[in-house]
Amino acid sequence: AQTVTQSQPEMSVQEAETVTLSCTYDTSESDYYLFWYKQPPSRQMILVIRQEAYKQQNATENRFSVNFQKAAKSFSLKISDSQLGDAAMYFCAYRRGAGGTSYGKLTFGQGTILTVHP
Amino acid sequence: KAGVTQTPRYLIKTRGQQVTLSCSPISGHRSVSWYQQTPGQGLQFLFEYFSETQRNKGNFPGRFSGRQFSNSRSEMNVSTLELGDSALYLCASSLEGRGHTEAFFGQGTRLTVV
Repeated sequence: AQTVTQSQPEMSVQEAETVTLSCTYDTSESDYYLFWYKQPPSRQMILVIRQEAYKQQNATENRFSVNFQKAAKSFSLKISDSQLGDAAMYFCAYRRGAGGTSYGKLTFGQGTILTVHP
Repeated sequence: KAGVTQTPRYLIKTRGQQVTLSCSPISGHRSVSWYQQTPGQGLQFLFEYFSETQRNKGNFPGRFSGRQFSNSRSEMNVSTLELGDSALYLCASSLEGRGHTEAFFGQGTRLTVV
């Protein structure tokens, strides 16, 4: 079974600074996808960024980027120029690739609460 | 394009009762998944439906069931409610295919069992 681990229950950052959230996962599959979701106090889960395992290039979305280390099964999220609106719970998630019986299932980490200080 | 809609947003039920939650996916999305979120257990997968068929099931007791209709709308039912069923229930929908892997979430239904 796949597992996702976020070892940082809480992180904090000063506004305009950079912060990195850690995530490791365990899988025997070669085809999979990794995601970072953000859950603000409104509880709406919002997709931040995704990474396909078959792509070596790290995904980037504006101020958000990932460091995907496939051999180490590590998938960290870097937030640059942090803003007050970035404050939320962040979840790392894994999804098996197409063709597997668990294709539609997301496996989540425990989450990291990010606080942004003005 | 409308997002994923979950109704109701809040529910208070008594132990032993049953409850039905509804999820309307984004138009064109045929996959609908359900998750339970609690402070202690985090986010746990309940089940996934695709084209009216349950495709995946998580490790929950049989009191938790679901179904999907021909228009892809899904319902989740919990019978004989227990205090421990109090949680935020999230629904997500997605397209199929290699280029469509993201799950889009609704705002959730907050269920409180008293």
